[in-house]
Amino acid sequence: DIQMTQSPSSLSASVGDRVTITCRASQRIITYLNWYQQKPGKAPKLLIYAASSLQSGVPSRFSGTGSGTDFTLTISTLQPEDFATYYCQQSYITPRSFGQGTKLEIK
Amino acid sequence: QVQLQESGPGLVKPSETLSLTCTVSGDSINNYYWSWIRQPPGRGLEWIGYIYYSGSTDYNPSLKSRVTISVDTSKNQFSLKLSSVTAADTAVYYCARDIRAQHLPSYYYYYMDVWGKGTTVTVSS
Repeated sequence: DIQMTQSPSSLSASVGDRVTITCRASQRIITYLNWYQQKPGKAPKLLIYAASSLQSGVPSRFSGTGSGTDFTLTISTLQPEDFATYYCQQSYITPRSFGQGTKLEIK
Repeated sequence: QVQLQESGPGLVKPSETLSLTCTVSGDSINNYYWSWIRQPPGRGLEWIGYIYYSGSTDYNPSLKSRVTISVDTSKNQFSLKLSSVTAADTAVYYCARDIRAQHLPSYYYYYMDVWGKGTTVTVSS
């Protein structure tokens, strides 16, 4: 199985900040990497697929980069509605696996 | 737009079988993959498995001996059965549409673009 490790596990930031979350795969996954946002009590929402493709309807302040084993999700200018937990997920092989999550909190 | 809705018992006794259904509305279930994912209280996401509308499946090996996912195209539904449940199976269960997009020959991107709201299942006597 491929292990996905996110860092940091939690992060405090302010509205207007630029934030970067990192995801590392235990083996090479090319660009088979997705990012999801989850708010408390809600289902996850797809933000980025194929490492860097922005899902329709997702604001352009979200962006993804990376290939191989190392990936990043960047929020360019934090908005109040962005405070949530973020998960990376690999789709290179089954079983699909998620990172443990990064909780983004208001400073 | 497409919507997914999970349904089924919220309480299941230990050693019994958990059964959930996901009803798809706003689009046909045909020509897509469909996944089940779960999230134990306060924890992260775990992929359970997927089914193609034609009936082919792939399961997480950690659950494979206990999981069955099936599809009913006439009802636009797919279902999850998890047998011999224990307290460790207590979780919010989500269904999701799984998009497959070709990247390279024999390589496909998969991503879950539409999710149900989730249903809480508690395993307790």
